[in-house]
Amino acid sequence: DSGVTQTPKHLITATGQRVTLRCSPRSGDLSVYWYQQSLDQGLQFLIQYYNGEERAKGNILERFSAQQFPDLHSELNLSSLELGDSALYFCASSVTSGRDEQFFGPGTRLTVL
Amino acid sequence: AQTVTQSQPEMSVQEAETVTLSCTYDTSESDYYLFWYKQPPSRQMILVIRQEAYKQQNATENRFSVNFQKAAKSFSLKISDSQLGDAAMYFCAYRSLRSGGSNYKLTFGKGTLLTVNP
Repeated sequence: DSGVTQTPKHLITATGQRVTLRCSPRSGDLSVYWYQQSLDQGLQFLIQYYNGEERAKGNILERFSAQQFPDLHSELNLSSLELGDSALYFCASSVTSGRDEQFFGPGTRLTVL
Repeated sequence: AQTVTQSQPEMSVQEAETVTLSCTYDTSESDYYLFWYKQPPSRQMILVIRQEAYKQQNATENRFSVNFQKAAKSFSLKISDSQLGDAAMYFCAYRSLRSGGSNYKLTFGKGTLLTVNP
């Protein structure tokens, strides 16, 4: 158990819908990273937040957005869902925004039908 | 941009034997980390081993060791005395240590699926 929690574990929804994935970092960690794992693209970085502010963006679609709240939990919002958005979404956290190890949560499996 | 290549989509090994998984990467930076992550059927990402580029000594963690060749940009993982529980997808990953932007993200290879035969 890494100490990072993600909810829900599984999510099944239809095309065109909007979903929210939640991540709670390890106690004391200020930085949250979101990654997407799909058959087509493999594991890729989406976005990073540090202490409530967006720090870096990767291959995140405009239909996707994220935020980090004052209690440091983060949410990834996916809208206008397409079949290709079906994937495993991981959250990872680290103490700071720098060299510290990233600890991964168990992931949320999203299925878009 | 950095890239990570794992040229072996699948590998198999007999229980108690040794197997080596290959990874190459491309970067123009001199200061970075390299990682091997294990992803068992549970899908949890588990850190196996980490190598800091400025360290010449190869990292080891129990039965897991790496062969880090900085000039060749090669980073292989050796698993000794393979166990059934080692069966998983293994990902090689790169992480820059240059500050700013998305440099602290992990860049992953496509993975190698390791099967351990009893």
